[in-house]
Amino acid sequence: AQKITQTQPGMFVQEKEAVTLDCTYDTSDPSYGLFWYKQPSSGEMIFLIYQGSYDQQNATEGRYSLNFQKARKSANLVISASQLGDSAMYFCAMSRPTGANNLFFGTGTRLTVIP
Amino acid sequence: DTEVTQTPKHLVMGMTNKKSLKCEQHMGHRAMYWYKQKAKKPPELMFVYSYEKLSINESVPSRFSPECPNSSLLNLHLHALQPEDSALYLCASSQPSGLTNSPLHFGNGTRLTVT
Repeated sequence: AQKITQTQPGMFVQEKEAVTLDCTYDTSDPSYGLFWYKQPSSGEMIFLIYQGSYDQQNATEGRYSLNFQKARKSANLVISASQLGDSAMYFCAMSRPTGANNLFFGTGTRLTVIP
Repeated sequence: DTEVTQTPKHLVMGMTNKKSLKCEQHMGHRAMYWYKQKAKKPPELMFVYSYEKLSINESVPSRFSPECPNSSLLNLHLHALQPEDSALYLCASSQPSGLTNSPLHFGNGTRLTVT
């Protein structure tokens, strides 16, 4: 069975500082995808970044980077130069290899950026 | 602006009502999803359509009835709901199955309240 764990219910970061949101996973499948989504209070789920299980390099997208440590089964999200608009709920998710590319999500981390 | 459009944004219905949630995407995706999200919880998968055919039903009660009239539209028909069905209902779309690197693109969701 697959499992996603986010151990930080809430995190605070000073504006312009960097922050790391933790995500660990467990799966017996050799092929999988890991995603991070941002959910503001408005409710929309916004795709941030993707890491494939066979990717050799860590994914980066602007201020977002994914620290992928396959042996440790961790896929932490790093947000650099935090902005007030980064305050939101952040979900780590894994794609299931069977059927359509449906995702299942971790419990999320609420990030608050302090001015 | 999101490329997946959901209507209505808010819906209040009684337990004897029949209503429908609608979702539309114009990204050429051939997989569409319904997720249910309770407050302070991660989204949970309900249904997946792949090439307009129902491929996954996560043991959802029959009072929820999905429909995919064409590749761009996804409906969720509601009948005889219970107050515990109150939640945010998220629609998503993606490239077809087998592509683990295809992120899901979500709509803004419909906030449903059952009275």
